[in-house]
Amino acid sequence: DGGITQSPKYLFRKEGQNVTLSCEQNLNHDAMYWYRQDPGQGLRLIYYSQIVNDFQKGDIAEGYSVSREKKESFPLTVTSAQKNPTAFYLCASSMRTGDTGELFFGEGSRLTVL
Amino acid sequence: GQSLEQPSEVTAVEGAIVQINCTYQTSGFYGLSWYQQHDGGAPTFLSYNALDGLEETGRFSSFLSRSDSYGYLLLQELQMKDSASYFCAVRTLNYGGATNKLIFGTGTLLAVQP
Repeated sequence: DGGITQSPKYLFRKEGQNVTLSCEQNLNHDAMYWYRQDPGQGLRLIYYSQIVNDFQKGDIAEGYSVSREKKESFPLTVTSAQKNPTAFYLCASSMRTGDTGELFFGEGSRLTVL
Repeated sequence: GQSLEQPSEVTAVEGAIVQINCTYQTSGFYGLSWYQQHDGGAPTFLSYNALDGLEETGRFSSFLSRSDSYGYLLLQELQMKDSASYFCAVRTLNYGGATNKLIFGTGTLLAVQP
């Protein structure tokens, strides 16, 4: 089945460690996104990529890094510079334009920094 | 700045109709989307309005008034499974046309009671 796979689903790390969250899609979508969600909050855009080898910062990019070497993959690294990394991270993909701009989301990765 | 406002919580009974409002203040507005998210899950696309008026999809309808920077999601014949968070999201426009870069509201938690 086509979809978006995020891993790991749950992740615990010590403060000061870098963490990489995986996101893979087989929908043949050009665009991919990373959102952060805190309890009771909306989704805030961290980074997005419209095409391979290109990506742009979203609203809260500080302390995060991404790469887009392949169309299918858009990993997110949460660095030690991120002051409050504990959150629910959602990856999404979409057609580059499309009629509705629909985003297809993965099941999320819940990161807890101890 | 860019902001979207939604009520934080709404409660309704099974079989009833509920309306979730969304007002937005954004630059480069292209359209308004609605997403549903069950607790801890992936957001899923419900509806999209690019033009003024009502869009109907089964029990769900969405309305947009561009002149008022306002939209709403209408859920009819409520079922227990409709208990979830609902997010409005603005689809943005840039020099290249419509993007799929969405700005999300903080969400409305709908509780459906028997």
